[in-house]
Amino acid sequence: DAKTTQPTSMDCAEGRAANLPCNHSTISGNEYVYWYRQIHSQGPQYIIHGLKNNETNEMASLIITEDRKSSTLILPHATLRDTAVYYCIISYSGGSNYKLTFGKGTLLTVNP
Amino acid sequence: NAGVTQTPKFRVLKTGQSMTLLCAQDMNHEYMYWYRQDPGMGLRLIHYSVGEGTTAKGEVPDGYNVSRLKKQNFLLGLESAAPSQTSVYFCASSYRGLAANEQFFGPGTRLTVL
Repeated sequence: DAKTTQPTSMDCAEGRAANLPCNHSTISGNEYVYWYRQIHSQGPQYIIHGLKNNETNEMASLIITEDRKSSTLILPHATLRDTAVYYCIISYSGGSNYKLTFGKGTLLTVNP
Repeated sequence: NAGVTQTPKFRVLKTGQSMTLLCAQDMNHEYMYWYRQDPGMGLRLIHYSVGEGTTAKGEVPDGYNVSRLKKQNFLLGLESAAPSQTSVYFCASSYRGLAANEQFFGPGTRLTVL
């Protein structure tokens, strides 16, 4: 699996957009970008994933650069409940590779 | 739907004791996983299962055994607990195929080995 680089921590004001970056310069052509988050003491929660097109769901948007070497997770209107560690994970989808490699992620703190 | 549940939520063991952690899911998922999370670290995969009656090793399987006798349950066993196994254990499940990496996690079991 490709290695990822994320900032250790970020701050965001409540109600503003939170933009979380992830670098994955060694990503392979058929590897996906997955985002999970982990609110303190809880199990991780799947947010969104994408291959090369931008994706949006009810939780967030995922912007992947054209060369696929980096991506940004966007929480459009951050709330205090979005304070969590956010993990960017690169992995094949399905097939025989079932491993999600969780790094240290980015601690996003949403401030009132 | 309860989703993914784990039993127990907390446990304290003495070195050498054994225990079994139970994971149950009611989403009819084919795949199930056991992870551990240590302070300041990401999750690491211990074992996983791609279907009833099958199990496979993850990246940190030593000291653990697993069984998947029923599709909805995935058991993690510690035969002789060691202090190095003090951790938070998370179970997860998913559909197979393209959705295998959209995993649903349980609330965790906090295990302390003295």
